[in-house]
Amino acid sequence: DAGVIQSPRHEVTEMGQEVTLRCKPISGHNSLFWYRQTMMRGLELLIYFNNNVPIDDSGMPEDRFSAKMPNASFSTLKIQPSEPRDSAVYFCASSFPPSLAFFGQGTRLTVV
Amino acid sequence: AQTVTQSQPEMSVQEAETVTLSCTYDTSESNYYLFWYKQPPSRQMILVIRQEAYKQQNATENRFSVNFQKAAKSFSLKISDSQLGDTAMYFCAFMRDSGGSNYKLTFGKGTLLTVNP
Repeated sequence: DAGVIQSPRHEVTEMGQEVTLRCKPISGHNSLFWYRQTMMRGLELLIYFNNNVPIDDSGMPEDRFSAKMPNASFSTLKIQPSEPRDSAVYFCASSFPPSLAFFGQGTRLTVV
Repeated sequence: AQTVTQSQPEMSVQEAETVTLSCTYDTSESNYYLFWYKQPPSRQMILVIRQEAYKQQNATENRFSVNFQKAAKSFSLKISDSQLGDTAMYFCAFMRDSGGSNYKLTFGKGTLLTVNP
């Protein structure tokens, strides 16, 4: 298996633009996590899906953020409109709980 | 809600020596899993070791071992014979095992470990 695949690896966008981050979990994993990592706040859990259903989205910062998981092999995290304070590394992870979670390489987002 | 606390923002150790990273957690759950992840400068998150709460025996993976104290809610990581490649940010993480659908994975703030030659 290729592991958790995230795209793009790097994204630079202008403030106000829509940004879509993508994640393909490991086949057979039924839990998917989106995290945001910054120097100031560390690793923050944004949203967690189980069997494609959002279980906990309490970490989503505001309405500008939305996440979907239309099927077991794909998830998106969308920011609209983007702001400079959204600049961070965004990680996707998947697991077959309660086993360990595997992480993607992350997407480094820069909003200018 | 579960919380994970790593009280050491930074640590350093000499190559070949042993270092212990601390982690405490707070939960009302009885079944759960604990993890240590390593994040080198490449930013890839790499699993180091896993501990099931129902197991009394401490997990060991080569040079990495844990000291799991369930009553004290403590989960420290010991790295023996430290190597330069161990330089990384280390995160402690908690996953509940409720038997339902909520397997939320919560991380501590991390400890930056530097191994000096």
